[in-house]
Amino acid sequence: QLQLQESGSGLVKPSQTLSLTCAVSGGSISSGGYSWSWIRQPPGKGLEWIGYMYHRGITYYNPSLKSRVTISVDRSKNHFSLNLSSVTAADTAVYYCARGVVVAAADIYHYFYMDVWGKGTTVTVSS
Amino acid sequence: DIQMTQSPSTLSASVGDRVTITCRASQSISSWLAWYQQKPGKAPKVLIYKASSLESGVPSRFSGSGSGTEFTLTISSLQPDDFATYYCQQYNSYPITFGPGTKVDIK
Repeated sequence: QLQLQESGSGLVKPSQTLSLTCAVSGGSISSGGYSWSWIRQPPGKGLEWIGYMYHRGITYYNPSLKSRVTISVDRSKNHFSLNLSSVTAADTAVYYCARGVVVAAADIYHYFYMDVWGKGTTVTVSS
Repeated sequence: DIQMTQSPSTLSASVGDRVTITCRASQSISSWLAWYQQKPGKAPKVLIYKASSLESGVPSRFSGSGSGTEFTLTISSLQPDDFATYYCQQYNSYPITFGPGTKVDIK
């Protein structure tokens, strides 16, 4: 059974870079038909999708964060990562990684919903 | 961006009640809609995808309907395990967006 586990810096200073990794176990990150996303949830608030990557190297970032976000993959370690630069207190949140089931595709657009989620990791931005 | 709204924001109900949550999209999303359940301190769990398809392992008391801009999630007979927050999510276009959530609590 596929499992995802987030890890990384729990406390980040303002203006620095937040770095998280999502380890994938029980399956290969290179499997076709799946996408890999990051989602966050500020304390007491709703869910915000950060972006995703597809196994062929396709990435898409939420325009609200695009200038600060990088999602990358290390296939040898079967994990993918999130870097978010120039953080502020507004980036304080629980960060989740999730697998997406691609149910259809059109050109480079993938229709997917998230079927497996990590447990989440809390990141606090504070000096 | 496609804006998602949900109503009500909070719903008080009793065990055994039939519960309906509505989700609306700011433009047509066909049937590219999923519903998630989230309990405090836990990750969201998918219940419904493609508006009305039940995810494997999800109890049949959950059902979804709708297309275009208006969707509903129905719980036919509320169980103690169902008290949680429910989110809709569109995946018709990027960025993927979620509704603000509906909290179902005990009456």
